[in-house]
Amino acid sequence: SQELEQSPQSLIVQEGKNLTINCTSSKTLYGLYWYKQKYGEGLIFLMMLQKGGEEKSHEKITAKLDEKKQQSSLHITASQPSHAGIYLCGASTQGGSEKLVFGKGTKLTVNP
Amino acid sequence: DTAVSQTPKYLVTQMGNDKSIKCEQNLGHDTMYWYKQDSKKFLKIMFSYNNKELIINETVPNRFSPKSPDKAHLNLHINSLELGDSAVYFCASSRNRGNQPQHFGDGTRLSIL
Repeated sequence: SQELEQSPQSLIVQEGKNLTINCTSSKTLYGLYWYKQKYGEGLIFLMMLQKGGEEKSHEKITAKLDEKKQQSSLHITASQPSHAGIYLCGASTQGGSEKLVFGKGTKLTVNP
Repeated sequence: DTAVSQTPKYLVTQMGNDKSIKCEQNLGHDTMYWYKQDSKKFLKIMFSYNNKELIINETVPNRFSPKSPDKAHLNLHINSLELGDSAVYFCASSRNRGNQPQHFGDGTRLSIL
């Protein structure tokens, strides 16, 4: 079965610093999703990537999917306390499938 | 204006009881899901319905039974609750099947005493 490895498991940064979270799969990623979760809340959809080499940005967050479609990265520029939370990557287990598997998440703390 | 809403938000009950969690989405989506997030924050798919038809049924104990009265609602009934059922249960929906972003509710925190 497909597994997604996220690294690092947790990250503490000073406000204003840049950071990167990685999501790696042993198999081809047919649809890669990034979500953010705050304590006591649901998952907030950030971005979806499908094509090899694809890159998307929203405000200060950029997500990329590598050419081989086995690794994705989430980059936050000039982090703010509002970026704090748990970031999860999820992916389709096979092409065109709605069945997602998720990584174990990266807990981000941004200190003012 | 809540897109995917779940009730209740918290559920504390005794082992052996039967309980239900309700989910409603006002996004006009065709596909709905139930996920379980355990104490280690690991999120796993349990069920999915598309237009009231069951399309994903993972290896879940028979004590868990989903029901979709219409495509805007997906409820989860759990019989004979066990300690291991303690978790956060998330409902989600997507426009339709396939590679579509899934939109999540805020979760139901189930604690078994």
